[in-house]
Amino acid sequence: DTVLTQSPALAVSPGERVTISCRASESVSTLMHWYQQKPGQQPTLLIYLASNLESGVPARFSGSGSGTDFTLTIDPVEADDTATYYCQQSWNDPTFGGGTKLELK
Amino acid sequence: QVTLKESGPGMLQPSKTLSLTCSFSGFSLSTSGMVVSWIRQPSGKSLEWLAAIDWDGDKYYNPSLKSRLTVSKDTSNTQVFLKITSVDIADTATYYCARSSVMPSYYFDYWGQGVMVTVSS
Repeated sequence: DTVLTQSPALAVSPGERVTISCRASESVSTLMHWYQQKPGQQPTLLIYLASNLESGVPARFSGSGSGTDFTLTIDPVEADDTATYYCQQSWNDPTFGGGTKLELK
Repeated sequence: QVTLKESGPGMLQPSKTLSLTCSFSGFSLSTSGMVVSWIRQPSGKSLEWLAAIDWDGDKYYNPSLKSRLTVSKDTSNTQVFLKITSVDIADTATYYCARSSVMPSYYFDYWGQGVMVTVSS
């Protein structure tokens, strides 16, 4: 299995720029995707194939990276962005990171 | 409009077989390249991909759970099913079905709302 490692939590102020990282245990090329999950809701796709913005997702969200290191950036952060963010790889059988809980100060 | 909805028993006893149904609309699983997966999430924890079935009827399983899982679809290509045998307390989770395309574009663009399953004696 490809293990994806994320920092467990971040706290930022509205209007700031935040980067959420995901590190893969092996190279996954650009086969990395990002989801947002709010409490009590299903995940929603934000970014696919490392850097492609899903339709309907605000342009404040962007993704970058290749190989083993990936980043989801939110700029600027808004109050509604409070959620847990997951990365997922599709280089082989899908696996998800442990999630990064984003809190706003 | 693409929608998916999971249904299941809510609660079952250890050692029983869990049967889940994913009913979807807005797309057909007979369309080339289409895939429906099952993913679960224990409360407060991360997501775990379980199984998938594609438009051609090919089935894919998480190797760590493969011996206990069976995924199937109906002939109208509007429902996908998952059976998990010999359930344990560790199978308590919210179970989601989600749509994707085939590898390598195996990202989930539509998800159901999830169904909570509790395994308890």
